[in-house]
Amino acid sequence: AQKVTQAQTEISVVEKEDVTLDCVYETRDTTYYLFWYKQPPSGELVFLIRRNSFDEQNEISGRYSWNFQKSTSSFNFTITASQVVDSAVYFCALRSSGGYQKVTFGTGTKLQVIP
Amino acid sequence: EPEVTQTPSHQVTQMGQEVILRCVPISNHLYFYWYRQILGQKVEFLVSFYNNEISEKSEIFDDQFSVERPDGSNFTLKIRSTKLEDSAMYFCASSADRDTGELFFGEGSRLTVL
Repeated sequence: AQKVTQAQTEISVVEKEDVTLDCVYETRDTTYYLFWYKQPPSGELVFLIRRNSFDEQNEISGRYSWNFQKSTSSFNFTITASQVVDSAVYFCALRSSGGYQKVTFGTGTKLQVIP
Repeated sequence: EPEVTQTPSHQVTQMGQEVILRCVPISNHLYFYWYRQILGQKVEFLVSFYNNEISEKSEIFDDQFSVERPDGSNFTLKIRSTKLEDSAMYFCASSADRDTGELFFGEGSRLTVL
């Protein structure tokens, strides 16, 4: 069975602060994919990143960075110099290879960036 | 940029009525999905569809639900007799590749059952 845990339900930060969103996952599969999605107040799901289980290299994209640590089954997401437009619910998700892409989502972390 | 489109964006219906939610996946994609998000909760998998048949479905996807790809472009989710607890945001998604491709989600269809 797959499980994704996002222990932080809500986080509030002041604009320009850095913030890290935690994600811990469980799977018995050796090959799997991890994702982060952003859900702004308008409701759509916006893809941010995909990581496969064989690639533990951390990734940076502008103000976003991701830290994948297989040893602790974590895939944390950091926003540097947060902006009000970053306010959204962020979902971490997991899919094991071989399935028909059934994605298991975490419960989400609501981020509020205060100006 | 190609995108997944969903209609309607919001539908209000009476309990017991049938509802059809429509999706147009990205044109060269082969794998299609429906997910559901009850307000304030996590996104839950309903069903995946490939080669004109259901490839996987969750416990939520009971006999009240059905999916269809009637004309090669639309992908529909039908709820036969809606219940109050069916009120949710329904997301359609598509993917080009089963193993490595990410899911591209539509903007969602909000269903309100009264």
